[in-house]
Amino acid sequence: QVQLVQSGTEVKKPGASVKVSCKASGYTFTGYSLHWVRQAPGQGLEWMGWISPSSGGTNYAQKFQGRVTMTSDTSISAAYMELNSLTSDDTAVYFCVRDLDYGDATYYLGYWGQGTLLTVSS
Amino acid sequence: QSALTQPRSVSGSPGQSVTISCTGTSNDVGSYTFVSWYQQLPGKAPKLIIFDVSERPSGVPDRFSGSKSGNTASLTISGLQTEDDGDYYCCSYSVSHTPVIFGGGTTLTVL
Repeated sequence: QVQLVQSGTEVKKPGASVKVSCKASGYTFTGYSLHWVRQAPGQGLEWMGWISPSSGGTNYAQKFQGRVTMTSDTSISAAYMELNSLTSDDTAVYFCVRDLDYGDATYYLGYWGQGTLLTVSS
Repeated sequence: QSALTQPRSVSGSPGQSVTISCTGTSNDVGSYTFVSWYQQLPGKAPKLIIFDVSERPSGVPDRFSGSKSGNTASLTISGLQTEDDGDYYCCSYSVSHTPVIFGGGTTLTVL
């Protein structure tokens, strides 16, 4: 079965960077795009971008361009999301999500990781 | 303010039906069938329950149905059950600066 296991809780200071990992199993890693979505405490969902593990191609939400980097390591079926210049507004749960369909990104968020809580505080 | 507009809350009794609306624009919901809905139960990750406006992933009960008219998509849950309590988010492809946009979420309470 499809599983996405994310790295653990992070606490960072303003201005720092964070790198969240997402280890995939149960499917062909290079066959599906991976998205990152975040959810601030008590708030809604916010799409950050996606990466194609097969090509390394990315598409970031305009809001995060210049501050986020999504990468993948096909040798270990893992994806990473690095966010720089953190502020308290970045405090949220970050989810990695596998696209529903094989091939090009469909933007349907089919399988979700358990989430990684990031707290940004001085 | 979210890109797609949903009611903040809806409620219903067990066995009844509720409909959650999701209003966008001609840049998203109005022009594309890339509309999806997600259920988020308390303390859990979201779950895809509708894609392509009205398609259900395998394992999602047919009590959940989706539709679209103009700039507004809708999720209908029939035969409400107490375990349906949670938050529901609509999502659409958009030709604006961000290709994936969400609604602000609707909290469903089954009384």
